[in-house]
Amino acid sequence: QKEVEQNSGPLSVPEGAIASLNCTYSDRGSQSFFWYRQYSGKSPELIMFIYSNGDKEDGRFTAQLNKASQYVSLLIRDSQPSDSATYLCAVGSYGGSQGNLIFGKGTKLSVKP
Amino acid sequence: ETGVTQTPRHLVMGMTNKKSLKCEQHLGHNAMYWYKQSAKKPLELMFVYNFKEQTENNSVPSRFSPECPNSSHLFLHLHTLQPEDSALYLCASSQVGDSYNEQFFGPGTRLTVL
Repeated sequence: QKEVEQNSGPLSVPEGAIASLNCTYSDRGSQSFFWYRQYSGKSPELIMFIYSNGDKEDGRFTAQLNKASQYVSLLIRDSQPSDSATYLCAVGSYGGSQGNLIFGKGTKLSVKP
Repeated sequence: ETGVTQTPRHLVMGMTNKKSLKCEQHLGHNAMYWYKQSAKKPLELMFVYNFKEQTENNSVPSRFSPECPNSSHLFLHLHTLQPEDSALYLCASSQVGDSYNEQFFGPGTRLTVL
């Protein structure tokens, strides 16, 4: 059974701090890793993806991947109240005939003004 | 708004009604998905269509019936639902094959079964 584990939170950080969200996965053959942001009552929005070991930065967001440890994280610098949402980690493969992603249960982030 | 649209956005139906949810993707993708998200629960994958063929049905009750007439359109036909079927129903699409399979979601249909 392929699994993706996330701390459900809530994770509470003050405005301007760095929020660190973590995710582990069970399938060592996984090749694609995604972070989705979901505001309450809304649909998930893809905000970051990473395919290679190391860091990938996009504005205030940095995704980090360590395939040896089967670990992926999302750092949000200078956190804003508008970043308050549930963050879903999703894991998949490259190519093939199946495009299924395995989603974690999500971590709820609360950024306090 | 993403390239995936869903209608209606809200639906209230009785247990004896028949209704359909519609999803359309404008991204040129070849795979489409139906997910269910209940309050405070994780995403549940319901159905997967690759190249219009259903490739996955995750033990979904027969009161949910999917239809995929072409690679851009996906329907979920509903009949004799139960109150516990009230949830956010999400459609997503992706490009399967020579890609990393990132999925893009529609805005969802908020379903309430009375």
